[in-house]
Amino acid sequence: NAGVTQTPKFQVLKTGQSMTLQCAQDMNHEYMSWYRQDPGMGLRLIHYSVGAGITDQGEVPNGYNVSRSTTEDFPLRLLSAAPSQTSVYFCASSYSRTGPITFGSGTRLTVV
Amino acid sequence: AQSVTQPDIHITVSEGASLELRCNYSYGATPYLFWYVQSPGQGLQLLLKYFSGDTLVQGIKGFEAEFKRSQSSFNLRKPSVHWSDAAEYFCAVGEGDGDDKIIFGKGTRLHILP
Repeated sequence: NAGVTQTPKFQVLKTGQSMTLQCAQDMNHEYMSWYRQDPGMGLRLIHYSVGAGITDQGEVPNGYNVSRSTTEDFPLRLLSAAPSQTSVYFCASSYSRTGPITFGSGTRLTVV
Repeated sequence: AQSVTQPDIHITVSEGASLELRCNYSYGATPYLFWYVQSPGQGLQLLLKYFSGDTLVQGIKGFEAEFKRSQSSFNLRKPSVHWSDAAEYFCAVGEGDGDDKIIFGKGTRLHILP
């Protein structure tokens, strides 16, 4: 089925470890983004991209890196995991910045 | 920079009663506005969106929202709620000119009394 695919669905990391959350979409969407969801905080934008080779910071970019080498993929890298990065991460895409957003099913990350 | 405020963290209504969820925003120029719903343990689903034109927007599941520029509001309404409407609702805003960010509010959790 077409949509946004995130892997893994669950992950436990130790403090200081690094990892990459994968995100792929098959809808040929130009706009992709990463959000984190924490209780009482809603969804906060981490990084976003308006096309291959173009990325920009969102509201809470510190501790995360992204790259966009292809239209389909938009991985999120945690450089050195911290307990404050325990969260549910959503990847999202849309055909334009004004288009409705399609969300992935989320990755629940726990940093111990 | 744009921002979104959802003043109510929790709202409880009885099944069959009317509903209004509040959303206030700040923006630089021309906003485009969304409402999303997240059922427990689920992802987010688009309810409706406003870009331009008619300020009363109809969405799925019987929801509607009205854009009021003078009040910087985009409140979500439903005439009669069903138990299945219990969920968390998020308002989101993007700027129409230049900035590509889409920012979400903190959400309003809706509880339904039988």
